[in-house]
Amino acid sequence: EVQLLESGGDLVQPGGSLRLSCAASGFTFGSHGMSWVRQPPGKGLEWVSSTSRDAGVTFYTDSVKGRFTTSRDNSRNILYLQMNSLRAEDTAVYYCARIGPNSESNFWGQGTPVTVTS
Amino acid sequence: QPVLTQSSSASASLGSSVKLTCTLSSGHTSYTIAWHQQQPGKAPRFLMRLEGNGNYNKESVVPDRFSGSSSGADRYLTISNLQSEDETDYYCETWDSNNRVFGGGTRLTVL
Repeated sequence: EVQLLESGGDLVQPGGSLRLSCAASGFTFGSHGMSWVRQPPGKGLEWVSSTSRDAGVTFYTDSVKGRFTTSRDNSRNILYLQMNSLRAEDTAVYYCARIGPNSESNFWGQGTPVTVTS
Repeated sequence: QPVLTQSSSASASLGSSVKLTCTLSSGHTSYTIAWHQQQPGKAPRFLMRLEGNGNYNKESVVPDRFSGSSSGADRYLTISNLQSEDETDYYCETWDSNNRVFGGGTRLTVL
């Protein structure tokens, strides 16, 4: 059974840092690109970052460039999102998603909440 | 980069059909999209991948009542024989070489 399990979400002050993890199982993790997608409270889905199968190529939405870093450990089947200089507008549920062979997001984790507030 | 436009809401009667629309921006009208469903308080769920020629590939567990089609810049998700559990949010997604984009989502109400 395919599973993606996010963790690491928390309440943090503006300017703080968090590292999210996404543990994958049930499929060959290293054969898939992966993404982070977030959803602010009451709003729609917003793409954050995507990384290739070997993390050789990683892209970010403009609002997180220079503050967020996506990485992966294919030996442990884990995707990471290091979030620095957090802002109130980063408050959201953060989902990891598997990228399918034809580039669609074809499986989602259950999400982990991040709240940035003083 | 592409932009996806969805109506914020739609409604249809129980047992009827509804066609949700996702429109691609100019210059990106041939793009493939994906449709996702999101129940309240839950993670999104991938429904199908839909190409510009109307070919679609559904996730295996998605009921036959769900189908996709395309016309020009528009990508459609049709739900037939609407059930109460179909009342929820639907998002389209597309991608290019270094971006992913989601539409704003459509909230479907089953009357």
